[in-house]
Amino acid sequence: DTGVSQNPRHKITKRGQNVTFRCDPISEHNRLYWYRQTLGQGPEFLTYFQNEAQLEKSRLLSDRFSAERPKGSFSTLEIQRTEQGDSAMYLCASSLISGGAEKLFFGSGTQLSVL
Amino acid sequence: DQQVKQNSPSLSVQEGRISILNCDYTNSMFDYFLWYKKYPAEGPTFLISISSIKDKNEDGRFTVFLNKSAKHLSLHIVPSQPGDSAVYFCAASESNNDMRFGAGTRLTVKP
Repeated sequence: DTGVSQNPRHKITKRGQNVTFRCDPISEHNRLYWYRQTLGQGPEFLTYFQNEAQLEKSRLLSDRFSAERPKGSFSTLEIQRTEQGDSAMYLCASSLISGGAEKLFFGSGTQLSVL
Repeated sequence: DQQVKQNSPSLSVQEGRISILNCDYTNSMFDYFLWYKKYPAEGPTFLISISSIKDKNEDGRFTVFLNKSAKHLSLHIVPSQPGDSAVYFCAASESNNDMRFGAGTRLTVKP
């Protein structure tokens, strides 16, 4: 399977715990994005990387959130001291810009439930 | 701030008829517009795109129309098929940066 892979698919945690999600992008893609989606809403931009450089972070990304992309390959998104409001689907996407509109290829997401 | 808006949360059409999904945006600097389709338990998948220099782009049964003066775009699906039933997201970006998504429209195509 050469698509975007996200692990785990589901995560249930207690408030105050730390969680980490992993995203493996399509191998030749140089951009990697994290989005968050809640029920009835579209994906909300969190942050993105071009190769290993984190180029932009949304104001939605509080200091409890951190993302890394070591060596420009896979990426991790960590949420520290989780809150119930963090419950959402976390989507990862990758892209390769080669002229024209940038097309994002999404993974199936990680559904986070904070109890 | 909602820069991309899809005001219809749902749409139901009969198989074989036309489906028209609408999207409005507020940022006049957007130069790329895309439609994504999402099935349950899957991530969104790219469907069709249009750049701001065009007013129409067609791909098989799918056509996207862009009206820059009205800051409005629409997706036409003709003829609609039951397999088209999904949530459709409109998205826009400025120079391929920071893509913004609408809230989505759930399309149901009835046999």
